[in-house]
Amino acid sequence: DVKVTQSSRYLVKRTGEKVFLECVQDMDHENMFWYRQDPGLGLRLIYFSYDVKMKEKGDIPEGYSVSREKKERFSLILESASTNQTSMYLCASSGGADTQYFGPGTRLTVL
Amino acid sequence: GQSLEQPSEVTAVEGAIVQINCTYQTSGFYGLSWYQQHDGGAPTFLSYNALDGLEETGRFSSFLSRSDSYGYLLLQELQMKDSASYFCAVPPSGNTPLVFGKGTRLSVIA
Repeated sequence: DVKVTQSSRYLVKRTGEKVFLECVQDMDHENMFWYRQDPGLGLRLIYFSYDVKMKEKGDIPEGYSVSREKKERFSLILESASTNQTSMYLCASSGGADTQYFGPGTRLTVL
Repeated sequence: GQSLEQPSEVTAVEGAIVQINCTYQTSGFYGLSWYQQHDGGAPTFLSYNALDGLEETGRFSSFLSRSDSYGYLLLQELQMKDSASYFCAVPPSGNTPLVFGKGTRLSVIA
């Protein structure tokens, strides 16, 4: 059974903190993605990666960075968390263009 | 730019049929996908249409017309558990991320 896991379901951080969100997939997928989801705005792509050590900016990369040191792991980093980064963060992986498998999400609150 | 349009909300009665439409305008097109997301949950894949026509999977069907840049998701014999948000999505090319619509919130009422 395909599986994408995220390190936390809920996270509360303070403004200015450095935040790490981890995502691991066990499907040997090349492609991994980070989205944020906010009410009325749908899923917005932050960063994606098609290979180890490779990263590409999505639609809203400002304030975020990513790391992909191993094929199965894709990390999202908030260098200095701000209140407008309070959101649901979803990680996904795919082996091709048609289907993405999502993790359960991390609901991040920045105070 | 890339855009997918779908209704923001739909309400339907238990046992009925509902159709959720999606029109797209993208720089390229490889097919149309549909995802379901329950409140508090993650999106899960429902269907993918690469070719024109109707694809049926149990109570759910998905349709694509490439010439009209249009597709829909059809849910039959609605159940309360079908209350969720439904997203259409398009991969503009074979190796670019999916572009998602903003989602349609379906409420099934008794």
